[in-house]
Amino acid sequence: KNQVEQSPQSLIILEGKNCTLQCNYTVSPFSNLRWYKQDTGRGPVSLTIMTFSENTKSNGRYTATLDADTKQSSLHITASQLSDSASYICVVSGLSSSYKLIFGSGTRLLVRP
Amino acid sequence: DARVTQTPRHKVTEMGQEVTMRCQPILGHNTVFWYRQTMMQGLELLAYFRNRAPLDDSGMPKDRFSAEMPDATLATLKIQPSEPRDSAVYFCASGPPLAGGNNEQFFGPGTRLTVL
Repeated sequence: KNQVEQSPQSLIILEGKNCTLQCNYTVSPFSNLRWYKQDTGRGPVSLTIMTFSENTKSNGRYTATLDADTKQSSLHITASQLSDSASYICVVSGLSSSYKLIFGSGTRLLVRP
Repeated sequence: DARVTQTPRHKVTEMGQEVTMRCQPILGHNTVFWYRQTMMQGLELLAYFRNRAPLDDSGMPKDRFSAEMPDATLATLKIQPSEPRDSAVYFCASGPPLAGGNNEQFFGPGTRLTVL
């Protein structure tokens, strides 16, 4: 069964610190992997999308990495801000049904002053 | 600033009542998705439309749920009759015509449904 697993489930860091969120997936064949940020009470917003040929992509202070061989991805947040407090969801789509996104359960990040 | 809009944002109803949720996709987008999000299950795909045609509704309980696109600017999700286990946040997302397989999806703010 295609799965996406994320760790940690939750994380608390101090403002200004860096953090890294992990994602492992078993989806095969693989089309692309994306990271979404979901603020409380809002819909998910895409941060990055990577295909199997890409191994890193940045969006401001967010940098995603992808190792298609080991089926692992990470999202690194640099110099965290209070507004980074949100859930971060790793999402994978397979080649066979590229419209069908397989969602991880998310990492809930809290940035404290 | 193009956005997916959803109405209502919140809905509280009693078991057995009909619930209708509406979504206006981003102008020019030809794919529409309905998702349900709960604490236990996370985000689940309920239905997928392309060019207003339903292509996948395998994630939707057929006996009580129905999804339609009366026109390109409106998608609806109906539950009849509603049950307490339907309580969740329902998201609509739309996407531009497929290009290179990176089917970007833009999510609306969601409808939080509570069935008592």
